[in-house]
Amino acid sequence: EPEVTQTPSHQVTQMGQEVILRCVPISNHLYFYWYRQILGQKVEFLVSFYNNEISEKSEIFDDQFSVERPDGSNFTLKIRSTKLEDSAMYFCASSPRDGYTFGSGTRLTVV
Amino acid sequence: GESVGLHLPTLSVQEGDNSIINCAYSNSASDYFIWYKQESGKGPQFIIDIRSNMDKRQGQRVTVLLNKTVKHLSLQIAATQPGDSAVYFCAEREIQGAQKLVFGQGTRLTINP
Repeated sequence: EPEVTQTPSHQVTQMGQEVILRCVPISNHLYFYWYRQILGQKVEFLVSFYNNEISEKSEIFDDQFSVERPDGSNFTLKIRSTKLEDSAMYFCASSPRDGYTFGSGTRLTVV
Repeated sequence: GESVGLHLPTLSVQEGDNSIINCAYSNSASDYFIWYKQESGKGPQFIIDIRSNMDKRQGQRVTVLLNKTVKHLSLQIAATQPGDSAVYFCAEREIQGAQKLVFGQGTRLTINP
């Protein structure tokens, strides 16, 4: 069964540093998403990406965040200057239209 | 707006019993709904979905019921097993926009032996 793959599984970074979270969506999917989940809370939408551009972003997705699909297969989330409150699980998801498939997540810890 | 708390609603059931997990969704314009299961340290795992033009859909051991009048969604799990222990989230998709999913608060299901 096709999977969404995320790397790394765990990332520890110092406050103020840049991090890049990587995702390989399912190859024939058209819509790509990043979500995050702070420990013990619900999954929150960050950004959606369709047709090589951002189609929607949440209030969380401020100027410190960016997404790219650099080579037609990978889908990355960059946080330019991490803050303590960015510590969370970050999930990538992809969809053909219905039936969203999520990756296993990257646990980001900002110290 | 939705409240975000640190304490999930919990449901404890005996192994073999049926479980019913409820969810109230927020947007009457949502056209598609999904139930996800999340085990500790893992991503959301698809269980079952339903479109807004349906009120019931069945899968293997699971049934989803949709009541659009009161914006209520439920997940029924038959003959629960220890492996069903997890947090269950409902998610709704708005009919317009980028088709993002909006997740509910989640319910922690615990199966007692």
